[in-house]
Amino acid sequence: LAKTTQPISMDSYEGQEVNITCSHNNIATNDYITWYQQFPSQGPRFIIQGYKTKVTNEVASLFIPADRKSSTLSLPRVSLSDTAVYYCLVGDSGGYQKVTFGTGTKLQVIP
Amino acid sequence: DTEVTQTPKHLVMGMTNKKSLKCEQHMGHRAMYWYKQKAKKPPELMFVYSYEKLSINESVPSRFSPECPNSSLLNLHLHALQPEDSALYLCASSQDQQGHYEQYFGPGTRLTVT
Repeated sequence: LAKTTQPISMDSYEGQEVNITCSHNNIATNDYITWYQQFPSQGPRFIIQGYKTKVTNEVASLFIPADRKSSTLSLPRVSLSDTAVYYCLVGDSGGYQKVTFGTGTKLQVIP
Repeated sequence: DTEVTQTPKHLVMGMTNKKSLKCEQHMGHRAMYWYKQKAKKPPELMFVYSYEKLSINESVPSRFSPECPNSSLLNLHLHALQPEDSALYLCASSQDQQGHYEQYFGPGTRLTVT
C-alpha cells in the first residue's frame, strides 16, 4: 500500500488560496490519488480525484507532477466553513479499494 | 439519492450487551465498508463487502460481526465489547471495490461502551 505523508496542520486567512501537499513516494502505476474532507463528528466527503497532471472541479484543483510522487490540493479563496481535516489517499495497486487514510491535515481558517 | 444512512446516531451499551449498527444506501453501489474512527485519528478500515460477499477483514476482533443481507444493507453486530471500542463507526459505499471509485460516507454512529 502506498503510504501518504501530509502536514499535520495549516492555518489560513479567509479569502486566501490554500495548498495542501501530500507525499506518496511509492505510488504504484495503477494508483489514483483521492482527497476527502471531514468535519468533526461527520463522515468524510469526497473532494477530488486524479491520476496525473491537473484536475479541477467546482470546489478544488488537484495538481500531480509527472513523477506522481506527490500531489497538491488547492482550495481557492477559503472561507470559515472550509475548516476541516483533509485526507489524501492513494488507491491500492491491486485495484481493490483497501485504501488507508493517512494522518490528514487539519486546516484552520482564520477570520 | 446520494445518501448513506446509518442508525442509530448514538449508542451506549454495556460490555455484556448485544447490539447492531445499520447502514443503508440506495445508489446501486456494490461495495460497502465499515470504518472505525477514534477521536482525532483517521478512519481505520474494518471490513469491505463486494457484491454482498466479505472481501476484506482487517483482522478485526470477533466481537465485531459484519453482515450484508442484500446489496443495499450492511449491518455490524456487536457483542461483548470493551470500553476501548468506543468510537465513531462509519459506513461507506462505492460503485465497485476498484480503487478509483469515490466512497460515499454516512454520518456515523457514535458508540460508547460502558
